[in-house]
Amino acid sequence: EIVLTQSPGTLSLSPGERATLSCRASQSVISSDLAWYQQKFGQAPRLLIYGASSRATGIPDRFSGSGSGTDFTLTISRLEPEDCAVYYCQQYGNSPLTFGGGTKVEIK
Amino acid sequence: QVQVVQSGAEVKKPGASVKVSCKASGYSFTYYGISWLRQAPGQGLEWMGWISTYSGHTMFAQSLQGRITLTTDTSTNTAYMELRSLRSDDTAVYYCARATCGGDCYSGVYFFDYWGQGSLVTVSS
Repeated sequence: EIVLTQSPGTLSLSPGERATLSCRASQSVISSDLAWYQQKFGQAPRLLIYGASSRATGIPDRFSGSGSGTDFTLTISRLEPEDCAVYYCQQYGNSPLTFGGGTKVEIK
Repeated sequence: QVQVVQSGAEVKKPGASVKVSCKASGYSFTYYGISWLRQAPGQGLEWMGWISTYSGHTMFAQSLQGRITLTTDTSTNTAYMELRSLRSDDTAVYYCARATCGGDCYSGVYFFDYWGQGSLVTVSS
């Protein structure tokens, strides 16, 4: 089973700043089959990125994904107050699919 | 627009069963499978299983084999998840989600583009 380790655990930044979230896999993720989700407090997760770098429908272009192999990154270019949430990565290249433990983004 | 609406909260005693429904609209129901996931209080996401809405074929997380049943009713575009022999550690928010397959759908790998709002299941004596 591929273990996904997300860092940092918590990121505290001001509006307008750039957020860089990391997701590291214990072994290579096939075909860069990696997704990112945003979960606001009390809500269901929302798909942001799939295929490591493709934005899902309706996702603002300030969200971008990159990476391959074992190292993946979600970047939020200019933080807005509504980006306060927990962000999860998920790999779907290898069975069983697995999720990372999440990064909490706080807005100062 | 795509919508996924789940049934409401449930409180069950240990050893009982729970059945959660998930009604989808806004797309061709049989074109995508449905997965079920859960999230225990303060914890991360756990994938539970997947059902092909076209064939009824199912895939399950190994940890839940034998306790979970997934079904669909294509006449009402509704999917169902039943979990039996409930324990206190089954207390969680249960989500259904539209699943896009990462390659072969029967290899157990998907990502999830539309989610239901979640159904809280509390298991307590």
